[in-house]
Amino acid sequence: GIQVEQSPPDLILQEGANSTLRCNFSDSVNNLQWFHQNPWGQLINLFYIPSGTKQNGRLSATTVATERYSLLYISSSQTTDSGVYFCAGETSGSRLTFGEGTQLTVNP
Amino acid sequence: EPEVTQTPSHQVTQMGQEVILRCVPISNHLYFYWYRQILGQKVEFLVSFYNNEISEKSEIFDDQFSVERPDGSNFTLKIRSTKLEDSAMYFCASGVYGNTEAFFGQGTRLTVV
Repeated sequence: GIQVEQSPPDLILQEGANSTLRCNFSDSVNNLQWFHQNPWGQLINLFYIPSGTKQNGRLSATTVATERYSLLYISSSQTTDSGVYFCAGETSGSRLTFGEGTQLTVNP
Repeated sequence: EPEVTQTPSHQVTQMGQEVILRCVPISNHLYFYWYRQILGQKVEFLVSFYNNEISEKSEIFDDQFSVERPDGSNFTLKIRSTKLEDSAMYFCASGVYGNTEAFFGQGTRLTVV
């Protein structure tokens, strides 16, 4: 199966700062998703982005499928952005393979 | 907005007991999934289900696990004889098709004592 590598593993920011999270894949993916896991453990869908760029408020994501990576941008971070961010990819078949996640802490 | 719902949100069970975790996928979705996340670790795929049969399963999904769609709306995961290492958050997910966006439920936290 594919390998999914996320960086950085941990990130600490002051409120208002910007950040970029990265996800590398060992193989081409047909499906790529970004999730935010909140402190209650819920997985919140952020983006479905097998290729291209999408924006949703302060968040945006870019996937360069030919180079097998995706980036998640968080601008003007808020304390509520804290949590774990996962990317997950799917090659063929129907399983999503998750990365280890980036633990984001935003301090007031 | 349609969502995947899971019950219960938290279940505590004794080692060796059977548990059934329940999910109601989004109504027009055709693919259903179970994933699990051991505390502090990444989310792992267990099984996918389409057209009333398993379409793919991982090496974790051994004979103690089974899935069922008992009616038109529910999707269940049964663990036959729970072990301490089955303690985890279990997520149900659904998608319109395979290789499309998967939507996750809020999870069931299973604690085996």
